[in-house]
Amino acid sequence: EMVLTQSPGTLSLSPGERATLSCRASQRVSDNYLAWYQQKPGQAPRLLIFGASTRATGIPDRFSGSGSGRDFTLTISGLEPEDFAVYYCQHYDSSPSLTFGGGTKVEIK
Amino acid sequence: VQLVESGGTLVRPGGSLRLSCAASGFTFTKYWMSWVRQAPGKALEWVANIKQDGIEKYYVDSVRGRFTISRDNAKNSLFLQMSNLRAEDTALYFCARFFRGTVMAFDLWGQGTLVTVSS
Repeated sequence: EMVLTQSPGTLSLSPGERATLSCRASQRVSDNYLAWYQQKPGQAPRLLIFGASTRATGIPDRFSGSGSGRDFTLTISGLEPEDFAVYYCQHYDSSPSLTFGGGTKVEIK
Repeated sequence: VQLVESGGTLVRPGGSLRLSCAASGFTFTKYWMSWVRQAPGKALEWVANIKQDGIEKYYVDSVRGRFTISRDNAKNSLFLQMSNLRAEDTALYFCARFFRGTVMAFDLWGQGTLVTVSS
């Protein structure tokens, strides 16, 4: 069973700063089936990144994804006020099963 | 393009409930569909997937045998029949479109419907 561990649990940063969020998988992620979502309070999640590094439609280029194997990173190159939210990683495997990480909250410092 | 869930309410442990999701603005029959839930203050949890034809279905272990996902392609609707409900099923239930191929992610979400299991 796949487990996704996100770190840190909370990231306290100021607008304009760079955010680096980690997602570590308990097993190798095949075909880079790793996605990232943003969720704001009271809202549904929004797909940001799929295939580990491809931005979804309409996602600003300050969001980027990288990684392979077991270690993946979401980077926000310069935080805008609207970027303060909770971020989740998600994996798909062929069983098929889908797994989410525990989330990283990006809060205003 | 939207998904709108309904049917969430307060239900007693051991009870049953049916959630619905109305899809509009896209070709429903082209997509796998899913239910994803989120317990209060907790992370997202995938619950179930259903293929376009309504035959192939998959569930997370914790709901298998208690929940049934189904769809009505003529009415662009997705359902989740929940039975033998437990306190740990309390959550906001999201309907989501699952985009397969190279994406393998949820690219469209509803706003959710709240299920509370309590005596």
